[in-house]
Parts: sequence; C-alpha cells; structure tokens
Amino acid sequence: QVQLVESGGGVVQPGRSLRLSCAASGFTFSSYGMHWVRQAPGKGLEWVAVISYDGRNKNYVDSVKGRFTISRDNSKNTLYLQMNSLRAEDTAVYYCAKDRYSGYDTGGYFDYWGQGTLVIVSS
Amino acid sequence: QSVLTQPPSVSGAPGQRVTISCTGSSSNIGAGNDVHWYQQLPGTVPKLLIYGNNNRPSGVPDRFSGSKSGTSASLAITGLQADDETDYYCQSYDSSLSGWVFGGGTKLTVL
Repeated sequence: QVQLVESGGGVVQPGRSLRLSCAASGFTFSSYGMHWVRQAPGKGLEWVAVISYDGRNKNYVDSVKGRFTISRDNSKNTLYLQMNSLRAEDTAVYYCAKDRYSGYDTGGYFDYWGQGTLVIVSS
Repeated sequence: QSVLTQPPSVSGAPGQRVTISCTGSSSNIGAGNDVHWYQQLPGTVPKLLIYGNNNRPSGVPDRFSGSKSGTSASLAITGLQADDETDYYCQSYDSSLSGWVFGGGTKLTVL
C-alpha cells in the first residue's frame, strides 16, 4: 500500500532554514508528480509546491518563491522541501502528497497524503 | 483569501441533502480545469472524495457526488449522516498562477 512519511519538522527561529523529507513506498515513485501542501493551525489547505516525476518541472505558490526549493531523489524514493528565510507565517503542518499523474498534468490531484510534519517558526 | 470560494459553513439534518459550492474564475474552473474534493475529519489527513469533477474513488459512498458548470462546482451529500460532520475542500488548477489552488474549506454541521 502507498505510504508517505514526512520528517524534518520542528521549531525554528525566523530567518533560519529547515529541510523536510518525505519517504515514499508502495508505488513507483519515479512515475508520479509530488507536491507539498501545508495547513496553518486552524486554517485551510494551501498548495505549496510541485515537482514532476522526472524533476524537470517545479513550481511554487507565490509566497514561497525564492525561499523554498522542492526536489526529489528517485533512487531513494524521497521528496524534499528546502525552506530558507523562514517566516512566522510559514508555521503549519506540511503534507507531502502524491499526484495522480506526472506533475505536468494540470488536471492532477492528490490521491495519497502523508501524515504531515509540523513546522513552527518562532523566536 | 482563497482563489476558490467556498461557504465557511453549511448545515443539514440527518437524512437531508446538502450542497457545498466552490466558485472560481476564468483562470481555473472556467478554464476547463477539473475540480476535486477532499474530506478532512478532525485531526486527520485530507482524504480524496471526488476527482475529475464527478468521479468517486473506490470506497467512497455514492451519497457523495460532484458537478461542475461554468466557473463553479458543487459537492452534494445525500442521506446526511452524523459522521459526515467535518471539513470539505475543493481544489483545481489555476492557469494564471500556474499552480494548484484550494478553496477555503467548508465546515459541515449535521444538526
């Protein structure tokens, strides 16, 4: 069965960096696009970033462009999110989510989700 | 402020039918991009409820259905049950933003 396990969350001071990881299993990781989606405490879902199956296509929500970098290692079945210059408004549970398709398809949706990892940005 | 607009809350009595709207624009739903729906029970991970506007994943009861018209979409739930009481989100792709977008979420209360 599909499993997505995030790690790397924690408490970090504003302006510092954090790297999240998402270990995938139960499917052919290298065939699917992957996303990061976040949810601030008591708030709704916000899409953060996407990476295509081959790593060539990446895109981000405007609020994280230039600060966050999504990447993947298909040999390790692992997705990453490098978060730099963190702000208080980045505080959220970060979910990795599998795209039903390649990550190039605009009709893509999130068919499997990890349990999430909590990032708290606070001094 | 979310790109897709949902009512913050809806309610209905057990057994009744409720609908949750999701209003977008010409750059997302109106551009022909599919709409998908997720259910998030308290303290849990979002779960795919409807994909491709009106398709149910295996295991989702046929009490749940989706529709799309113009720049809007709707989720309908018939035969309302107590455990339907939770949060629902719509999602699509926005061609102007070149990214995936969610509605702000709707909390369903079963009276």
